[in-house]
Amino acid sequence: GAGVSQSPSNKVTEKGKDVELRCDPISGHTALYWYRQSLGQGLEFLIYFQGNSAPDKSGLPSDRFSAERTGGSVSTLTIQRTQQEDSAVYLCASSPQREDGYTFGSGTRLTVV
Amino acid sequence: AQSVTQPDIHITVSEGASLELRCNYSYGATPYLFWYVQSPGQGLQLLLKYFSGDTLVQGIKGFEAEFKRSQSSFNLRKPSVHWSDAAEYFCAVGLWDSSYKLIFGSGTRLLVRP
Repeated sequence: GAGVSQSPSNKVTEKGKDVELRCDPISGHTALYWYRQSLGQGLEFLIYFQGNSAPDKSGLPSDRFSAERTGGSVSTLTIQRTQQEDSAVYLCASSPQREDGYTFGSGTRLTVV
Repeated sequence: AQSVTQPDIHITVSEGASLELRCNYSYGATPYLFWYVQSPGQGLQLLLKYFSGDTLVQGIKGFEAEFKRSQSSFNLRKPSVHWSDAAEYFCAVGLWDSSYKLIFGSGTRLLVRP
């Protein structure tokens, strides 16, 4: 596609529910990143994919967070048993190669009530 | 530890005035450096990047940035600000630890007075 697409754009969920956030990167971009942006904060790195493998998961805040990527394309970030502190904007970015700049999606705003 | 510091949380300038947003980094080697802009409700857009070579880099929307190794800085400048430049600006460093990733500063919110 023309850009990085994320869905849904907004998600309100009840505490304790599981959520799935989707990212469609730019076609041909092998590197894919997930970041979290909390209110008034900078961007916090979560996970990096190169192709379908995730060589760096160091930013995932707990084992409630997981992500996968299939076909070297679409990625899904799953948060289990959501907590209020998970409320944030989740941003996905892709890049044609690791050392290049990223192209970001518009994000998914997650609100846990 | 590697870090990126944007010392100004908010900056207000008048339309037509010049702008400089500060960014300092802490990293052993010469890093890859980036500036992104985030308009309300939008994702981040790349303004410019520095990998090597000429330390003054030009970007989109009339922005430029200068890499100063001696000061570990990569400040963003624009000679004349437009009302549409009101947004949040993020400086980022590309670095290797367990993998290559961008580390972002906490951002500077730019307000433009008419």
